[in-house]
Amino acid sequence: AQTVTQSQPEMSVQEAETVTLSCTYDTSESDYYLFWYKQPPSRQMILVIRQEAYKQQNATENRFSVNFQKAAKSFSLKISDSQLGDAAMYFCAYRSLNTGNQFYFGTGTSLTVIP
Amino acid sequence: KAGVTQTPRYLIKTRGQQVTLSCSPISGHRSVSWYQQTPGQGLQFLFEYFSETQRNKGNFPGRFSGRQFSNSRSEMNVSTLELGDSALYLCASSLNWGSSGEAFFGQGTRLTVV
Repeated sequence: AQTVTQSQPEMSVQEAETVTLSCTYDTSESDYYLFWYKQPPSRQMILVIRQEAYKQQNATENRFSVNFQKAAKSFSLKISDSQLGDAAMYFCAYRSLNTGNQFYFGTGTSLTVIP
Repeated sequence: KAGVTQTPRYLIKTRGQQVTLSCSPISGHRSVSWYQQTPGQGLQFLFEYFSETQRNKGNFPGRFSGRQFSNSRSEMNVSTLELGDSALYLCASSLNWGSSGEAFFGQGTRLTVV
């Protein structure tokens, strides 16, 4: 089974600064999807960014970007110009092309934004 | 467009009882997946339903079951509740089985077993 590892249980960042959250995964598949989801105190999981493994170009969504290193099986999330509303639990997730919509989640990183 | 709706939001049950949770996916979405979230185990996949059929199942005991109706709404049932079943149960809605899109999550049902 695929495993996703987030080695940073907690991170903090000053407002307007940049922070990078780490994620590594283990798989024998060559094609798959990777995601970063955000879970604020409201508990609803919100998609931050998505990356298809066959694409070499790193995904970007406004202030959020990823550094996808397929060979190293690494998928980090960079948040630029951090805002107070970015404070949340961030989950890295893997989805195979062969098992429907089953996600494998990491254990999460709790991000605090300091005013 | 309405999001994923889970009911109820909170639930308190006694050990040994059974419980049914409901999930209405986004209109037009045909796949519904269920996850259990606990502080100790994190987010774990329970099962996925598509076109009223269970397509995938996680590593949970048979006390956990589900079903999907023709309108894509899904229910999950937990029988003979144990204290360890206390968790946030999240439902995720996707357009199709194995689609390239992301999953959209509901706000969850917080189940407390006493």
